[in-house]
Amino acid sequence: EDQVTQSPEALRLQEGESSSLNCSYTVSGLRGLFWYRQDPGKGPEFLFTLYSAGEEKEKERLKATLTKKESFLHITAPKPEDSATYLCAVPILTGGGNKLTFGTGTQLKVEL
Amino acid sequence: GAGVSQSPSNKVTEKGKDVELRCDPISGHTALYWYRQSLGQGLEFLIYFQGNSAPDKSGLPSDRFSAERTGGSVSTLTIQRTQQEDSAVYLCASSPDLGASPYEQYFGPGTRLTVT
Repeated sequence: EDQVTQSPEALRLQEGESSSLNCSYTVSGLRGLFWYRQDPGKGPEFLFTLYSAGEEKEKERLKATLTKKESFLHITAPKPEDSATYLCAVPILTGGGNKLTFGTGTQLKVEL
Repeated sequence: GAGVSQSPSNKVTEKGKDVELRCDPISGHTALYWYRQSLGQGLEFLIYFQGNSAPDKSGLPSDRFSAERTGGSVSTLTIQRTQQEDSAVYLCASSPDLGASPYEQYFGPGTRLTVT
């Protein structure tokens, strides 16, 4: 069964304190991995797609990396506005489309 | 440009009533997905539309749930005889999904459904 596990469940950082969030997966034939950010009361906001092991993508203070078993979201010198829940998801092919299997997310809180 | 929109943003209903939730996808996106997000369960897939057809309905939790899409655009998720366990945030996403490669899905703000 396809599974996505995220750790830690919650993370508290001081402003400027870099860290990494983990997303591990068991999927037969990985076809990509998505990272989303979700603010309270809002829908998930797309951040990155990674398609193959070794791939990296960056956006401002965020960098996502992918290996054959897991993905990391590195946050460098975070600011309070980076506080959100970060979700990873893998696409599962279905009838011509791709339904997403999500992890339960990492709730990040960045404090001054 | 305009993103995915959903209405209503909040819906409170009494147990046993029917509800309709609406999704307007990004113009030109052929694929549309419904997900449900509840406390402790995370985001769960409900149904997928390609155009007006639904090739995958496997995530619908019971036959009280149905969905349709018209004109390759707007979709409606209907829940009949609502139960308290239906309380959740219902999210809609759309995607180009033009071929075998998975495209990112863009989510709407969701409809928060509360069944009393």
